[in-house]
Amino acid sequence: VQMEQSGAELKKPGASVRVSCKASGYSLSAYGFSWVRQAPGQGLEWVGQITVYNGETKIAQKFQGRVTMTVDSSMGTANLNLGRLKSDDSAVYYCARLHDADGMDVWGQGTTVIVSS
Amino acid sequence: QSVLTQAPSLSGTPGQRVTISCSGSNSNIGSTSVNWFQQLPGTAPKLLISTSNHRPSGVPDRFSGSKSGTSASLAISGLRTDDEADYYCAAWDVSLDAWVFGGGTKVTVL
Repeated sequence: VQMEQSGAELKKPGASVRVSCKASGYSLSAYGFSWVRQAPGQGLEWVGQITVYNGETKIAQKFQGRVTMTVDSSMGTANLNLGRLKSDDSAVYYCARLHDADGMDVWGQGTTVIVSS
Repeated sequence: QSVLTQAPSLSGTPGQRVTISCSGSNSNIGSTSVNWFQQLPGTAPKLLISTSNHRPSGVPDRFSGSKSGTSASLAISGLRTDDEADYYCAAWDVSLDAWVFGGGTKVTVL
């Protein structure tokens, strides 16, 4: 099982960023994707999650209105879009496989997003 | 300010048993199960204890999780130098309809 994430991004304030996560080695329909971020020197912060079989999303309140999540089952890829970027959105963004019983059990390597003018 | 509360740091000597605590409320730990993660410096978090209270394949049985009421604990027995890492608890919060994390505990092996 692997979760391979897209490369680092440098964005200006007010722009949008897309982070991708390609899953392999398992049947996607039995799992979801969770997105978690970590600002420099800080702890883990949940952004949201998406269920593959029905596309249902749950988003942390502080990101509602700025985050969209999608899954392309045919490509085995999940995408996180974060809009209206601010400097404090600079962080490493992780995707994790989400299992009903086990939680966030396999993580990607992380994608660094830097927001700077 | 994290929803789940963890001590920022703790230390131990090789071979010692240490316990990391995670305090929550009735809407998270009191209602659901806890994930524990280990994050080595510069790497992605790794699941140590699943919400079904199992250790994924490859996680040594030196790591064990427990829960009582609105608190959970991760015990590390036979502490090793390569256990130096940040440890995070997480749980689903039924009121927030969201995953919540502890602030993390940095374990130092003296």
